[in-house]
Amino acid sequence: EVQLVQSGAEVKKPGESLKISCKGSGYTFAIYWVGWVRQMPGKGLEWMGIIHPGDSDIRYNPSFQGHVTISADKSTDTAFLQWNSLKASDTAIYYCARGGLFDYWGQGTLVTVSS
Amino acid sequence: SYGLTQPPSVSVAPGQTAKISCGGDNIREKGVHWHQQKPGQAPVLVVYDDSDRPSGIPERFSGSNSGKMATLTISRVEAGDEADYYCLIWDPSSDHPGVFGGGTKLTVL
Repeated sequence: EVQLVQSGAEVKKPGESLKISCKGSGYTFAIYWVGWVRQMPGKGLEWMGIIHPGDSDIRYNPSFQGHVTISADKSTDTAFLQWNSLKASDTAIYYCARGGLFDYWGQGTLVTVSS
Repeated sequence: SYGLTQPPSVSVAPGQTAKISCGGDNIREKGVHWHQQKPGQAPVLVVYDDSDRPSGIPERFSGSNSGKMATLTISRVEAGDEADYYCLIWDPSSDHPGVFGGGTKLTVL
């Protein structure tokens, strides 16, 4: 059974750093892209970026490039999304999903940034 | 930047047919994928590559893509179909490789 399991909810202060994770199982992790999606409170889905764990090819939505970093460790079948300096406007649920068409989704990670 | 336009809301009575549109330039050249999101849940893929259904998705869900519009059609709508629906395009050769539509709230009257 294909599963993407994300790390737990986080509460952070503005300016802090954060790295959340998404662990794949039930399939060959290295051969499928893994994407990240933001959903701000009460809003729609936003495509942030995507990585191919096999060769670390990364594509970003220009709106997010420079503020987040996407990475992956194929030895642990895990993809990551990280921030060096969080803002209050980063408060959202972040989902990971498999492949370019997002055929399987993680359960979401709630990130709350508040002073 | 590339944008996908969806109607904010669609309402339909149970048993009727709901059609949700997704518009974008040259959309016919791109594969469109549709996701259903119910409150408090992660999205679920219901149609991919314009008109294919993942296993486990009822045949009531279908898709088409022609001209400047892709369409998700839900036949014999049930109360459990009430959700937000998003179209998605993935084109790794583009400057904007992934784009979601703004989402459509389907209300079952």
